[in-house]
Amino acid sequence: DQQVKQNSPSLSVQEGRISILNCDYTNSMFDYFLWYKKYPAEGPTFLISISSIKDKNEDGRFTVFLNKSAKHLSLHIVPSQPGDSAVYFCAAENTDKLIFGTGTRLQVFP
Amino acid sequence: SQTIHQWPATLVQPVGSPLSLECTVEGTSNPNLYWYRQAAGRGLQLLFYSVGIGQISSEVPQNLSASRPQDRQFILSSKKLLLSDSGFYLCAWRRQGAFEAFFGQGTRLTVV
Repeated sequence: DQQVKQNSPSLSVQEGRISILNCDYTNSMFDYFLWYKKYPAEGPTFLISISSIKDKNEDGRFTVFLNKSAKHLSLHIVPSQPGDSAVYFCAAENTDKLIFGTGTRLQVFP
Repeated sequence: SQTIHQWPATLVQPVGSPLSLECTVEGTSNPNLYWYRQAAGRGLQLLFYSVGIGQISSEVPQNLSASRPQDRQFILSSKKLLLSDSGFYLCAWRRQGAFEAFFGQGTRLTVV
């Protein structure tokens, strides 16, 4: 039972354009959402988060949007840079558990 | 500052052999601890988590077990490895009440 889903396994974006990564969840009890970035053979690193009581959080080039009625969140990266190429995981928090999605591989090309 | 150590970085084990992966956290006390696995083509699957010494919650029925013998030590074990246990294992910690989790560098386990 995949409670957090990222339906796009990969995304390719040109440098300077916007990258939009999507995530859907099924459990309405999740109260916090996070995005992580992961390079091969390394542990994920935290990127940005949003509380379930908000609908937007912005940090530099990164903005996360939350649509609770649709149980959907998205990460916008603008402008995209080649160094952003990595696998991005969304995660949802419920009590003591942190549940991750399946990941989206972002490739930013020049 | 807090740090998390996970070892070994890579491991090749034959089918049927035992497994012990260790994770320790420094610079904090009473953290929540987690074991995840990233299998080929799949996301980060939560295997076990612990909110205190001796307290282990299992998320997925499987061939693995976890133990927390000390406050900042989390061990992932198996008595007999299966081929399907191959994957990238990640340990993580989180302050109680906080949302952000911090990950170790991972262990690449290949069962042959």
